[in-house]
Amino acid sequence: SAVISQKPSRDICQRGTSLTIQCQVDSQVTMMFWYRQQPGQSLTLIATANQGSEATYESGFVIDKFPISRPNLTFSTLTVSNMSPEDSSIYLCSVRPPGGYGYTFGSGTRLTVV
Amino acid sequence: EDQVTQSPEALRLQEGESSSLNCSYTVSGLRGLFWYRQDPGKGPEFLFTLYSAGEEKEKERLKATLTKKESFLHITAPKPEDSATYLCAAIRQGGSEKLVFGKGTKLTVNP
Repeated sequence: SAVISQKPSRDICQRGTSLTIQCQVDSQVTMMFWYRQQPGQSLTLIATANQGSEATYESGFVIDKFPISRPNLTFSTLTVSNMSPEDSSIYLCSVRPPGGYGYTFGSGTRLTVV
Repeated sequence: EDQVTQSPEALRLQEGESSSLNCSYTVSGLRGLFWYRQDPGKGPEFLFTLYSAGEEKEKERLKATLTKKESFLHITAPKPEDSATYLCAAIRQGGSEKLVFGKGTKLTVNP
């Protein structure tokens, strides 16, 4: 299965600032997914990132707030923009390994906005 | 709207005390049902995928089963190292790769 490296693992940020989260995979994958895990809530898909095309956002998530880059088949970034305390959450990167059907997750980025 | 509900929210067991976790789903055309284990401070770790009613999969002390409305994760003779949050997720037929997760069951196994 694929191995995902996600950075940073945690951060504390001031409201109004932005944070970029990086996701590196050890194999080439077509799609990469970004999820959010709010305290006491279920994991929720933010967007799907395909290499060479615009990310597809789920209802309730917009590109201005969560811009995503996908420059190649092994890397993606998610930016959380103009942060507020409500953005405090765990953000997770996920991929579907080639030939596999068990989606793999990174270790997550725990974000606290103060 | 697709929905996944897990019960109970939390479960405490004594070592060796077998039990089951429940995942009920409302998904228009189920393509797959996933079970994950999540330890504190880590991302979900893949356990099983089930595709059709009647299917069962096993891994060590864990066995997952699937019906047309729900899935069960049976834990036989659990050990303290089985303590974790267990997540269930569903994916629907069609082109979407979106996993719809439940809130999870936090399992604690006491020695």
